[in-house]
Amino acid sequence: RKEVEQDPGPFNVPEGATVAFNCTYSNSASQSFFWYRQDCRKEPKLLMSVYSSGNEDGRFTAQLNRASQYISLLIRDSKLSDSATYLCVVISTRSGGGADGLTFGKGTHLIIQP
Amino acid sequence: DGGITQSPKYLFRKEGQNVTLSCEQNLNHDAMYWYRQDPGQGLRLIYYSQIVNDFQKGDIAEGYSVSREKKESFPLTVTSAQKNPTAFYLCASSMGTFGELFFGEGSRLTVL
Repeated sequence: RKEVEQDPGPFNVPEGATVAFNCTYSNSASQSFFWYRQDCRKEPKLLMSVYSSGNEDGRFTAQLNRASQYISLLIRDSKLSDSATYLCVVISTRSGGGADGLTFGKGTHLIIQP
Repeated sequence: DGGITQSPKYLFRKEGQNVTLSCEQNLNHDAMYWYRQDPGQGLRLIYYSQIVNDFQKGDIAEGYSVSREKKESFPLTVTSAQKNPTAFYLCASSMGTFGELFFGEGSRLTVL
């Protein structure tokens, strides 16, 4: 099983719709979780951290399910500008992923259509 | 404004030549990282440094070298030993090793 797994998509969604996607992780000792957004040919930028209690930032909601070992990102009232690749990041003190205990998913490609 | 600066943004190199990518940060971050991204792929860790004068290999360090002589700077050399060097290279930093990552704009290397 891969360390951090995401559905690559692409997810084609009409403008204004609600879209959600998950990221599963295999290391139960994982401690910190983030969602990054990456536009085409650009660097990743932090979208939001994921807290145990869940957190919301405007149209974006991130949730953590430790029992099932996944994090989720929900986007409401999607805009054309939300089109991007969304990367999840999982940080562990004893991860089998990257040497520094920080593992990136390969990303989910989202396309918002007018 | 604080941030991370990578240069050059685009670089073309002939096979067999070494090339050095610059990464400078003024965020006063202790940890710095180099990642490589290939089309349709995730980020793969090349090298990272948690403190000045110390660095560790990542998952794909072969054919690369780094130095960390100053806190602000973490240059990456792509050597001729790297078999497939054409890629998008991203430098990042964080306050602590497991903290939020801040990325530079990336350097796109093409080997001709």
